Amino acid sequence: AQKVTQAQTEISVVEKEDVTLDCVYETRDTTYYLFWYKQPPSGELVFLIRRNSFDEQNEISGRYSWNFQKSTSSFNFTITASQVVDSAVYFCALSGSYNNNDMRFGAGTRLTVKP
Amino acid sequence: DGGITQSPKYLFRKEGQNVTLSCEQNLNHDAMYWYRQDPGQGLRLIYYSQIVNDFQKGDIAEGYSVSREKKESFPLTVTSAQKNPTAFYLCASSTRLGSIHEQYFGPGTRLTVT
Repeated sequence: AQKVTQAQTEISVVEKEDVTLDCVYETRDTTYYLFWYKQPPSGELVFLIRRNSFDEQNEISGRYSWNFQKSTSSFNFTITASQVVDSAVYFCALSGSYNNNDMRFGAGTRLTVKP
Repeated sequence: DGGITQSPKYLFRKEGQNVTLSCEQNLNHDAMYWYRQDPGQGLRLIYYSQIVNDFQKGDIAEGYSVSREKKESFPLTVTSAQKNPTAFYLCASSTRLGSIHEQYFGPGTRLTVT
């Protein structure tokens, strides 16, 4: 069975602080995909990143970076110099190797960035 | 602009009534999905469809029904058999069958049943 755990329910930071959102996953598949989505107050989930299990390179996109570590089954997301517009719920998700039908989402982390 | 449209954004119904939520996409995606989101929880899969005229149950299909008569459209009916229908419903689509691609989401419909 696949499972995604986001232990941090809510995080509050002050603007310009760095913040890391944790994601731990469980799967028996050797090939799998990990995702991060952002859900702003409007409700629509916005795709941020997809990473396959064979690619452990960390990725940076502007103020966003992702740290994938298979040894600890973690796929953490860091926002550097946070901004008020980063306030949202962030979901980590895991999908098996064959199709998207078994995508599992974590419970989400609500990030509030205060001015 | 390509995207996924869900309407309406807010929907109110009386208990015992069936209600249909609309989902349309113009991304030419093969696969479409319906998720339910409850406060403090992640998304749970209700139904999915990989091709026209075919759909499969997800984890929480009881009390729901769908149809896929056109590639662009995947409406969800919440029936009176659904015990706790009040929730936020999200429709999504992805590009290809038999492979892993990110899903693109619509803006969601918040359903309140009283």
